[in-house]
Amino acid sequence: SSELTQDPAVSVALGQTVRITCQGDSLRMYYASWYQQKPGQAPLLVIYDKNSRPSGIPDRFSGSSSGNTASLTITGAQAGDEADYYCFCRDSSVNQWVFGGGTKLTVL
Amino acid sequence: QVQLVQSGAEVKKPGASVKVSCRASGYSFIRNWIHWVRQAPGQGLEWVGIINPDGGITIYGQRFQGRVMLTADTSTSTVYMEVSSLRSEDTAVYYCARDHSRDGVTWWFDPWGLGTLVTVSS
Repeated sequence: SSELTQDPAVSVALGQTVRITCQGDSLRMYYASWYQQKPGQAPLLVIYDKNSRPSGIPDRFSGSSSGNTASLTITGAQAGDEADYYCFCRDSSVNQWVFGGGTKLTVL
Repeated sequence: QVQLVQSGAEVKKPGASVKVSCRASGYSFIRNWIHWVRQAPGQGLEWVGIINPDGGITIYGQRFQGRVMLTADTSTSTVYMEVSSLRSEDTAVYYCARDHSRDGVTWWFDPWGLGTLVTVSS
């Protein structure tokens, strides 16, 4: 089966831009979706279908994809964006789906 | 609005089974597949499996084959996840989530249930 690899932790200064990446062979075939999870809460969809945002998600969240890498970019990070972020995609080698290991975002 | 309401927390002994429910409302139940995801304490998200409520087709994660069973009851718009032969490593929050997809190239979950904590302890 394929894996999706994320950096375990990333930090960003308040108001600056941060990119969270997700790497894996499956991303050459499929687009990832991205989820934000705050402590004690269920995950929340923030980006789907490569670069679409559900209603209620601020436009400072954006997604992109190139080769084997999907990226979630937060432009002008806010304190409320501090959370764990997970990518998700179908596994291209077996009939399953897979999450990345998650990235803990700290806003300084 | 679209909602997935899960059953309450469970405490089970090793070797027992647990059955968690996920009741859908606000949309046509048979229109979307339902995924299950689990999260062990302090760990990341792990995909468990998926069920098509319209016909009951299931696909399971390799780690869960043979030990997890997903079923659906269209009369109550409810999906069930049963985990058998529980061990301490199964202690986790289990989430159900509504599947969306486009053209066989991308999948996403929205909404998610609030989660059900299953604790396995002797």
